[in-house]
Amino acid sequence: DAKTTQPTSMDCAEGRAANLPCNHSTISGNEYVYWYRQIHSQGPQYIIHGLKNNETNEMASLIITEDRKSSTLILPHATLRDTAVYYCIVRPYSSASKIIFGSGTRLSIRP
Amino acid sequence: EAEVAQSPRYKITEKSQAVAFWCDPISGHATLYWYRQILGQGPELLVQFQDESVVDDSQLPKDRFSAERLKGVDSTLKIQPAELGDSAMYLCASSLALATTYNEQFFGPGTRLTVL
Repeated sequence: DAKTTQPTSMDCAEGRAANLPCNHSTISGNEYVYWYRQIHSQGPQYIIHGLKNNETNEMASLIITEDRKSSTLILPHATLRDTAVYYCIVRPYSSASKIIFGSGTRLSIRP
Repeated sequence: EAEVAQSPRYKITEKSQAVAFWCDPISGHATLYWYRQILGQGPELLVQFQDESVVDDSQLPKDRFSAERLKGVDSTLKIQPAELGDSAMYLCASSLALATTYNEQFFGPGTRLTVL
């Protein structure tokens, strides 16, 4: 079973920041938080991951609370192309560990 | 940019028939994964290969599903016989899988299977 809880759906205005929350209250010390997204009819795409510090890359920022029980993915300037299902996943660091996807958050960007 | 290739992209078959899906991972990627995604749900891992060896097939319905990666490069997933409940998207992913560093999984575009 997935170890994360996400809202089923969200929407955001184009050009605004999209903030996607994720709860992972049972995360263990060796587990990282990963985010993937899946645009319609495509395979999932890696976005970002982190352990306990905030992370930023060219796609998004990841804010992890100090107790690591929740996190927020931030898309700073959402565009229509960001419409997708976003998956929050916790798993050990090793890339050999399996990804257990939940149902994710369906993000709709409105013009 | 290197990509994971899958074929066919779409497959329609009748129940009790055999179907096969092919995946070519990114060159040099030792780990290959097959996932099944039912409409409205997240992908579920079916089988994971490290080179030509199966690492995890705990979720693979072995009575009808089989997977192989004979030379440790491309892979084939087979269903025989297909059932109505097998209608889904079948995704392949690959990663470098170096033990000491994180390497993300890259997914292919998937094969959408419809069983009539």
